[in-house]
Amino acid sequence: DQQVKQNSPSLSVQEGRISILNCDYTNSMFDYFLWYKKYPAEGPTFLISISSIKDKNEDGRFTVFLNKSAKHLSLHIVPSQPGDSAVYFCAASARKSYNTDKLIFGTGTRLQVFP
Amino acid sequence: DTAVSQTPKYLVTQMGNDKSIKCEQNLGHDTMYWYKQDSKKFLKIMFSYNNKELIINETVPNRFSPKSPDKAHLNLHINSLELGDSAVYFCASSPWTGKNTEAFFGQGTRLTVV
Repeated sequence: DQQVKQNSPSLSVQEGRISILNCDYTNSMFDYFLWYKKYPAEGPTFLISISSIKDKNEDGRFTVFLNKSAKHLSLHIVPSQPGDSAVYFCAASARKSYNTDKLIFGTGTRLQVFP
Repeated sequence: DTAVSQTPKYLVTQMGNDKSIKCEQNLGHDTMYWYKQDSKKFLKIMFSYNNKELIINETVPNRFSPKSPDKAHLNLHINSLELGDSAVYFCASSPWTGKNTEAFFGQGTRLTVV
């Protein structure tokens, strides 16, 4: 039962353009959402997060949007840079339900930014 | 200065052996985790410890036994290794602040059972 889904396994974007990565979830108890970036042979690195009480959070080139009614979130990267090429994982947590910050991860989207 | 460090980074071993993976964090966090990334790239939580106490065990076989000697360390012992245990194991930590927060991950340990 995959509670967090990333339906696009890969995405290719030209440098300077916008990258949009999507994520859907099924568990309405999730109250915190995160995006992680992962390079090969390294651990996931935290990128940006959003609480369920917000619909947008911005940090530099990265913006996360949350649509609770659709159970959907997206990560926008603009402008995209070659160094952004990595696998991006969407994750969710439900602290009140689990009494911990355990993360439920999506399957990842491989982003490739080409010159 | 590494925040969450795991050793070893690579581990190749035969079926039936017992092995350990060590994890240390220098962030002063109260909570530590073990996650497993399988061949299909699914990242799933295995265990969560808070101040040396086990709070989550996600139906992991009892051949896997985490041990937390202090809140900065969470080691993973695996007995009677099986081929299906081959995966990348990630240690992580997060602060216990009463609010939602992100976890910090180690670089992973790639375990190959032959």
